[in-house]
Amino acid sequence: DTGVSQNPRHKITKRGQNVTFRCDPISEHNRLYWYRQTLGQGPEFLTYFQNEAQLEKSRLLSDRFSAERPKGSFSTLEIQRTEQGDSAMYLCASSPSSVSTDTQYFGPGTRLTVL
Amino acid sequence: AQSVTQLDSQVPVFEEAPVELRCNYSSSVSVYLFWYVQYPNQGLQLLLKYLSGSTLVKGINGFEAEFNKSQTSFHLRKPSVHISDTAEYFCAATFGGAGSYQLTFGKGTKLSVIP
Repeated sequence: DTGVSQNPRHKITKRGQNVTFRCDPISEHNRLYWYRQTLGQGPEFLTYFQNEAQLEKSRLLSDRFSAERPKGSFSTLEIQRTEQGDSAMYLCASSPSSVSTDTQYFGPGTRLTVL
Repeated sequence: AQSVTQLDSQVPVFEEAPVELRCNYSSSVSVYLFWYVQYPNQGLQLLLKYLSGSTLVKGINGFEAEFNKSQTSFHLRKPSVHISDTAEYFCAATFGGAGSYQLTFGKGTKLSVIP
């Protein structure tokens, strides 16, 4: 069990560019979550998947944000036309089942800087 | 509305002294409570969680927390801290009913252990 991994760990981009982040959950975890953490704040929920189905996406920050989990394994989070306000740490987590008491295991995050 | 509040943004404490990090929640539905720790450049790691039963919960690294329903609190304690406990600590909750899949975090408390 290698834990949740995220790539890249750091991304610097210019305003207006598109960026994509990848998350590989713990093997056989069927729930996958995305959170965003800005400086001085706790993580904020964005979206989550049950296997390949995206069950909640109303908390994505704008229509520039989208996420996929095409085969129920890894997931990608894309931000189109980045803005300076998108600079943050993007965290991925996974849990073994759909029970709300399950522990969510977090990856190290991808730090995005938009210039 | 459901929320989690961490009352202290920074807590300095001398090595081997006791520490308490405070967390309060607001909820009209059932709640499950978690404490996570975040070391620099690392992902969030679960310290402990309260689901039901005994209100005193013991976690890793000598930490414990007590659930107090009447005061809607879930404070984290350690009787004797070490330098290695220097990190940021997040209180989080999942709330019953719709939205029970997402963690709601407090803003975090930075614990600094002074030699």
